[in-house]
Amino acid sequence: QSALTQPASVSGSPGQSITISCTGTSSDVGGYNYVSWYQQHPGKAPKLMIYDVSNRPSGVSNRFSGSKSGNTASLTISGLQAEDEADYYCSSYTSSSVWVFGGGTKLTVL
Amino acid sequence: EVQLVQSGAEVKKPGESLKISCKGSGYSFTSYWIGWVRQMPGKGLEWMGIIYPGDSDTRYSPSFQGQVTISADKSISTAYLQWSSLKASDTAMYYCARHSYEVPFDYWGQGTLVTVSS
Repeated sequence: QSALTQPASVSGSPGQSITISCTGTSSDVGGYNYVSWYQQHPGKAPKLMIYDVSNRPSGVSNRFSGSKSGNTASLTISGLQAEDEADYYCSSYTSSSVWVFGGGTKLTVL
Repeated sequence: EVQLVQSGAEVKKPGESLKISCKGSGYSFTSYWIGWVRQMPGKGLEWMGIIYPGDSDTRYSPSFQGQVTISADKSISTAYLQWSSLKASDTAMYYCARHSYEVPFDYWGQGTLVTVSS
């Protein structure tokens, strides 16, 4: 099971919007609407931010949104804030009946 | 309140066995899957496998099949991850998380640091 492909790093200034991509194949991202996104601050456990491509769990800011087109899913963070600086991971269900994570993206708020 | 509480940090030697635990509370333990995730030092998250405590149905990532064993004891709402012979490359933080197909990994444990060194 190959990891999903994410950019190693992205950056943005406070108030701006950024988008993190997550590219897979038709056997994972493209084949199912089971894409989720996790935020991880240093030394902390990951936190679920988006599930089923675009759904937000209760308590997650509406500045976070998800979408998918073909084999690529995206996480968009609008109105960037300092506390958004973290690592972000996508995950997808696969045709092998297991899940796979992306390699992770480090978000820097300038 | 949903909580997953993991066992404490472990320091082991290569070749030793180990079993770490994850105790769930605040929800029906037998109605959700429990998954395990590895994070090697300075690296990303790796999906290891999941177990459904209700019937012990277990799924492993091909990368971890045969390398670890996932089990659960529903009578004490606890899931386990075990190794029969540790390697230095097993050094990592291991997280458990509550899982469902609809909402994957929505609650996480605090992590268990496993260090394997001679």
